[in-house]
Amino acid sequence: DTEVTQTPKHLVMGMTNKKSLKCEQHMGHRAMYWYKQKAKKPPELMFVYSYEKLSINESVPSRFSPECPNSSLLNLHLHALQPEDSALYLCASSRDGTEGEKLFFGSGTQLSVL
Amino acid sequence: GESVGLHLPTLSVQEGDNSIINCAYSNSASDYFIWYKQESGKGPQFIIDIRSNMDKRQGQRVTVLLNKTVKHLSLQIAATQPGDSAVYFCAESDSGSRLTFGEGTQLTVNP
Repeated sequence: DTEVTQTPKHLVMGMTNKKSLKCEQHMGHRAMYWYKQKAKKPPELMFVYSYEKLSINESVPSRFSPECPNSSLLNLHLHALQPEDSALYLCASSRDGTEGEKLFFGSGTQLSVL
Repeated sequence: GESVGLHLPTLSVQEGDNSIINCAYSNSASDYFIWYKQESGKGPQFIIDIRSNMDKRQGQRVTVLLNKTVKHLSLQIAATQPGDSAVYFCAESDSGSRLTFGEGTQLTVNP
């Protein structure tokens, strides 16, 4: 069982809605990640937080807004999304975001934008 | 059974056979490699990793081989079981926190 917990598991939202995805880990990891995964495709990196600071933003549109309130929590705020943003959103954590670490993934939030 | 080429999306094997899943990478600077297993409706699950100072690493029923000369990575699964059916991704990292995933291979184990 994964030690990275994501909520909700499923989310349906309209293009004018505002919603948030939540992620929590209690492994003492100091790096947390958001990935986006389309069906039958590999996960694509969106954001990396290391020690609660945003260290990587892979040119993600501003309608996706990450937040790291503390080292255990990671949120992804969604606003004015498009249907093409429908995907599985995966949260992951690792020891501290430095060289060559394994990532531990949650089960994801399956997002549908109508 | 063996998958060949970077873009072969599926591999079908009989239960009890050995499976070989291949992955090619392009970044010569990559020094850390991971194999993940992803079952339907779940996130990727760590299987095994290897650093560039090694050629081979073994786990329980799995072996990862790294050939840096031709930038090739493979995952060998011994005595494949129905529970091994999943999509398998290789991923690489070059001295940073950015882990880049390959396209993935769908492994189907026939009873």
